[in-house]
Amino acid sequence: AQSVTQLGSHVSVSEGALVLLRCNYSSSVPPYLFWYVQYPNQGLQLLLKYTSAATLVKGINGFEAEFKKSETSFHLTKPSAHMSDAAEYFCAVSSFNYQLIWGAGTKLIIKP
Amino acid sequence: ETGVTQTPRHLVMGMTNKKSLKCEQHLGHNAMYWYKQSAKKPLELMFVYSLEERVENNSVPSRFSPECPNSSHLFLHLHTLQPEDSALYLCASSQDLRDPGNTIYFGEGSWLTVV
Repeated sequence: AQSVTQLGSHVSVSEGALVLLRCNYSSSVPPYLFWYVQYPNQGLQLLLKYTSAATLVKGINGFEAEFKKSETSFHLTKPSAHMSDAAEYFCAVSSFNYQLIWGAGTKLIIKP
Repeated sequence: ETGVTQTPRHLVMGMTNKKSLKCEQHLGHNAMYWYKQSAKKPLELMFVYSLEERVENNSVPSRFSPECPNSSHLFLHLHTLQPEDSALYLCASSQDLRDPGNTIYFGEGSWLTVV
């Protein structure tokens, strides 16, 4: 069975600091992996996705994620946090029957 | 502005009421979804439609009744709900259900409060 684990329900970083949001998955088949972001009072939107091409995936707003098969990880990073990055971030893996398996989400807090 | 529009954005209903949530997608997609988002829980997939045919019903109570009259519109009919049904209900769409890498596009959600 596939599953997604996001470490830390809340992550707090200072403005300008590195953002690192962790995601580990389990999958019995080659995975498709996604990061979505949800700003307050909005729906989710795609940040980036891994679909078996390059292992380093660049997304919107300066975010990127690296697929590491040996570590079954797909951590999300951004070199320098901005106040506008405050949101909730969701990692997901696509299962064989088209359903997305979602992590519980990580709320990113940016300190001035 | 999102390509998936949901109305109403906020709904308060009594446990004996009947109401509906509406969703419209302007992206020409073939698949539409209803998700439930509750605090401190992962997103829960409720229903999936592909080309107006329901392909998934994740053991959702019968007090939730979906309707998909065409590939652009999706409804969620609500009746005799419970307070624990209070949540954010998200509609979404995607191009091709058979593609595991396809992107899902979400609406802004309908906040439902059951009193």
